Amino acid sequence: AQKVTQAQTEISVVEKEDVTLDCVYETRDTTYYLFWYKQPPSGELVFLIRRNSFDEQNEISGRYSWNFQKSTSSFNFTITASQVVDSAVYFCALVGSGGYNKLIFGAGTRLAVHP
Amino acid sequence: DTAVSQTPKYLVTQMGNDKSIKCEQNLGHDTMYWYKQDSKKFLKIMFSYNNKELIINETVPNRFSPKSPDKAHLNLHINSLELGDSAVYFCASSQVSGGATDTQYFGPGTRLTVL
Repeated sequence: AQKVTQAQTEISVVEKEDVTLDCVYETRDTTYYLFWYKQPPSGELVFLIRRNSFDEQNEISGRYSWNFQKSTSSFNFTITASQVVDSAVYFCALVGSGGYNKLIFGAGTRLAVHP
Repeated sequence: DTAVSQTPKYLVTQMGNDKSIKCEQNLGHDTMYWYKQDSKKFLKIMFSYNNKELIINETVPNRFSPKSPDKAHLNLHINSLELGDSAVYFCASSQVSGGATDTQYFGPGTRLTVL
């Protein structure tokens, strides 16, 4: 069975703090893909990053960075110097190789950044 | 030039009615999806169509019927609406060619409220 766990239901930080959102996944597939999506208060789902199971390089995009560790089945997301506009629900998701491209979502982490 | 669009954005209706949600994508993708987001923000796939062919049909009541007239459109028809159908419904699309897994891009969502 495939599963994504986001243990942090809600995180509250003050602006300019760094924050890490945890994501742990389960799959028996050797080839799989991991994603992060952002859902701001306006409700849309915004794609942030896609990573395949053979690429364990960490990625940095501006204030965002992702740490993929196959050894611990984790794909964590860090926001550096958080801003109020980062307030949103963040979803980690998984697609396995035999899943017809079916996204398996975690429950989401609600991040509140206060001024 | 919206990539994935849905209409309507809001839908309020009475129990027992029949309603449809329309989705269109102009990304040239070959696969489209419907996801349901419940009141706790949990996202789950309902259906997926590849080149107008149904390839994912999760455990969804028969009252839900997707229809794909062409690659760029995937509509969702719901019969005999029930209170539990109240949710946000997201359409998404991606390119799935040669077994590769591409990123799914989501529409803005349709908030369905059944009274």
